[in-house]
Amino acid sequence: SAVISQKPSRDICQRGTSLTIQCQVDSQVTMMFWYRQQPGQSLTLIATANQGSEATYESGFVIDKFPISRPNLTFSTLTVSNMSPEDSSIYLCSIPTVGSGANVLTFGAGSRLTVL
Amino acid sequence: DAKTTQPPSMDCAEGRAANLPCNHSTISGNEYVYWYRQIHSQGPQYIIHGLKNNETNEMASLIITEDRKSSTLILPHATLRDTAVYYCIVDGTSYGKLTFGQGTILTVHP
Repeated sequence: SAVISQKPSRDICQRGTSLTIQCQVDSQVTMMFWYRQQPGQSLTLIATANQGSEATYESGFVIDKFPISRPNLTFSTLTVSNMSPEDSSIYLCSIPTVGSGANVLTFGAGSRLTVL
Repeated sequence: DAKTTQPPSMDCAEGRAANLPCNHSTISGNEYVYWYRQIHSQGPQYIIHGLKNNETNEMASLIITEDRKSSTLILPHATLRDTAVYYCIVDGTSYGKLTFGQGTILTVHP
């Protein structure tokens, strides 16, 4: 199955700053998904990123706060803008697993952000 | 909201079968049951999924009741490495949009 690499694996950030998380996949994929996992909580889908088009955001998430880039079929970035302590979370990217069902996803290890 | 109900935690002895239940009484005819797990500090890992027939793979077995209102994930010989949060997810139409509930924390002890 595909290998997903996320950078950074963890970071400590100051309030009001922005951080960009990178997701690199070792194969070409049409769709990539960004999830958030707040402390002690389950995962929530932030947006779907398709190459060549604007990302599609879920309810409660907006492009100004979480801009996403998808410059090619193996790479995507998620930026967390103007961070506050409430943005402290694990951010994970995922892709559909080739040859499997629509919702069989492979996840990266996640990027753990702590905002002070 | 998640469409599934799972016990918050379960224990299992190493080497024994772990049977994790999930209720999904409002499941629709075209919705699949998916199981994922998340080991501490890792991303979720897909385990198995099914529509109405029982399924088995190298990781686990999935037993779905005839009315499809509940299912059980079976880890036949649990090991300490199986300690994780196990998520039962019902979905069928939203590509890539998995609705994770709180899951079951499975602790496998020696």
